[in-house]
Amino acid sequence: AQSVTQLDSQVPVFEEAPVELRCNYSSSVSVYLFWYVQYPNQGLQLLLKYLSGSTLVKGINGFEAEFNKSQTSFHLRKPSVHISDTAEYFCAVSDPFGNEKLTFGTGTRLTIIP
Amino acid sequence: DAMVIQNPRYQVTQFGKPVTLSCSQTLNHNVMYWYQQKSSQAPKLLFHYYDKDFNNEADTPDNFQSRRPNTSFCFLDIRSPGLGDAAMYLCATSRGGTGSNYGYTFGSGTRLTVV
Repeated sequence: AQSVTQLDSQVPVFEEAPVELRCNYSSSVSVYLFWYVQYPNQGLQLLLKYLSGSTLVKGINGFEAEFNKSQTSFHLRKPSVHISDTAEYFCAVSDPFGNEKLTFGTGTRLTIIP
Repeated sequence: DAMVIQNPRYQVTQFGKPVTLSCSQTLNHNVMYWYQQKSSQAPKLLFHYYDKDFNNEADTPDNFQSRRPNTSFCFLDIRSPGLGDAAMYLCATSRGGTGSNYGYTFGSGTRLTVV
């Protein structure tokens, strides 16, 4: 079985400061990894995904994430945040050789302080 | 441009009164999912359809049912809503196929209130 742990439930960051949202996964097989963003009262939007290849993945809105197999991590980073980045961020994992079911972490609420 | 559309955005229903939420897609994706998301929690998969094949999660209550009359539409039926069923319900689609994981496309969700 797969699981995802998001270590921080809330992260406050000053505007234009860098941010890192942490994600660790547990799986007995190889994995696909995803980050989704959810704005208030909205559905989830895909930020980026790691399927294979380069461990540094770039996504939309200036976000990037790095897959680290030895540390079973997939942390999300942005060098300079904006007010519009205020949202809930979910890390998710799926099995490449199974069906496409996603297992989500509990989410991290990113709050940008002006 | 909307690709996964959920209606309505907000639904208020009475305790015990059956309610149906709808989802439509223009992506021609094979798989459609229904997730329940309670406040400040991760989305929880209720069930999914791979084409016409229905796949129920083991811990999904019998109170929740689903229908997929064609590729484009999928419905979530709650037969007797309880106060604990108040949540955001998210519909998502994906192309399907082992190893073809391009990620899901989500709708904007339906927020269900039970009074």
